[in-house]
Amino acid sequence: GEDVEQSLFLSVREGDSSVINCTYTDSSSTYLYWYKQEPGAGLQLLTYIFSNMDMKQDQRLTVLLNKKDKHLSLRIADTQTGDSAIYFCAESNYTGGFKTIFGAGTRLFVKA
Amino acid sequence: SAVISQKPSRDICQRGTSLTIQCQVDSQVTMMFWYRQQPGQSLTLIATANQGSEATYESGFVIDKFPISRPNLTFSTLTVSNMSPEDSSIYLCSVVIGQVRDIQYFGAGTRLSVL
Repeated sequence: GEDVEQSLFLSVREGDSSVINCTYTDSSSTYLYWYKQEPGAGLQLLTYIFSNMDMKQDQRLTVLLNKKDKHLSLRIADTQTGDSAIYFCAESNYTGGFKTIFGAGTRLFVKA
Repeated sequence: SAVISQKPSRDICQRGTSLTIQCQVDSQVTMMFWYRQQPGQSLTLIATANQGSEATYESGFVIDKFPISRPNLTFSTLTVSNMSPEDSSIYLCSVVIGQVRDIQYFGAGTRLSVL
């Protein structure tokens, strides 16, 4: 079945860039998302990219999509302590109805 | 985007009781879903809430345990029935807004602890 994989932990220093990586297996993905979850909270949609795009930039966030390798990345520039959270990669498709597959989440630690 | 209000935000319940979680959206949505997030885990889809008909459940989830209602396009409820400590999780309502593109948004979640 479809799968989304991402590393579990990432630690960076405040002010550095963070890059969170994700791989997926579904070749019929339509949208790919990055969600942020702070402790005790729900999922906040950070950004998404349509599968026919290579890159999307939104302020400090840059999403890169390599469809050939089924690789998605999220770069956070000038990482701040407030960026410490769990980041979920997800992909959705319409195979057999709308379905979204989530990765296990990457816990980002930002050191002051 | 959409504003998704989920109530209650948290609750502590006794074993054997039931809890109903409400999800209200401020705009009409094309799809509504209920997810469970067990401690330290990713999200698992419980079911798709269908307006005016029975929800579509994923493997491992049944209507007797997780009855769902969706009487209109902006409101849904999930009931966790006959609770046990294993039901302690965050329950999340999610919607897909299909005005231009099908983008999926989440509510703040209900943190449930069962004693």
